[in-house]
Amino acid sequence: KAGVTQTPRYLIKTRGQQVTLSCSPISGHRSVSWYQQTPGQGLQFLFEYFSETQRNKGNFPGRFSGRQFSNSRSEMNVSTLELGDSALYLCASSLAAATGLSSYEQYFGPGTRLTVT
Amino acid sequence: AQSVAQPEDQVNVAEGNPLTVKCTYSVSGNPYLFWYVQYPNRGLQFLLKYITGDNLVKGSYGFEAEFNKSQTSFHLKKPSALVSDSALYFCAVRDGSSNTGKLIFGQGTTLQVKP
Repeated sequence: KAGVTQTPRYLIKTRGQQVTLSCSPISGHRSVSWYQQTPGQGLQFLFEYFSETQRNKGNFPGRFSGRQFSNSRSEMNVSTLELGDSALYLCASSLAAATGLSSYEQYFGPGTRLTVT
Repeated sequence: AQSVAQPEDQVNVAEGNPLTVKCTYSVSGNPYLFWYVQYPNRGLQFLLKYITGDNLVKGSYGFEAEFNKSQTSFHLKKPSALVSDSALYFCAVRDGSSNTGKLIFGQGTTLQVKP
């Protein structure tokens, strides 16, 4: 099976612009989560989607949003970019269940490196 | 609130020697624990997990981890380190009592294996 794919791999944007990142999960995986990785804050959870519904959201401002499509592919959008949004954005997919307890591990993509100037 | 602590920023070990990367956690419900490794300019790669059962879990590339409920620890171990094991290692926890995939990560430990 192909792994999690993320596009683009690298992106340079200017402050005030907006950006959309894309994630294609492993075939059959219905749960997609997004994380932000920075040297100062480490890995922080952004949000999780399951069957096109946001199931959980981290402590990020409303400028960060996401969505999931019927084929489980997901996008995240950051509007009004700030210098502090420069980070590696990681997408992860898993065989999470619709209800009940999920013990499945998450598989990560290579990430999108966003640089805001 | 959930949290994960990796007390060592860096662990140095000689090739062939055993290695340990430490992790302690705090979670209100049942802890689901994970170890991931990250190589430069790459995403995170799953190594192993503890959900329930045997406290010693075995994973990829000869790694294993020991779950200790009383000490709330989940240390990563390998009997004989390889130079190629040099990378950034993350411990993560999920509250198994909640219906969420959200992972809380530690700050990461850089493992340096010298020939």
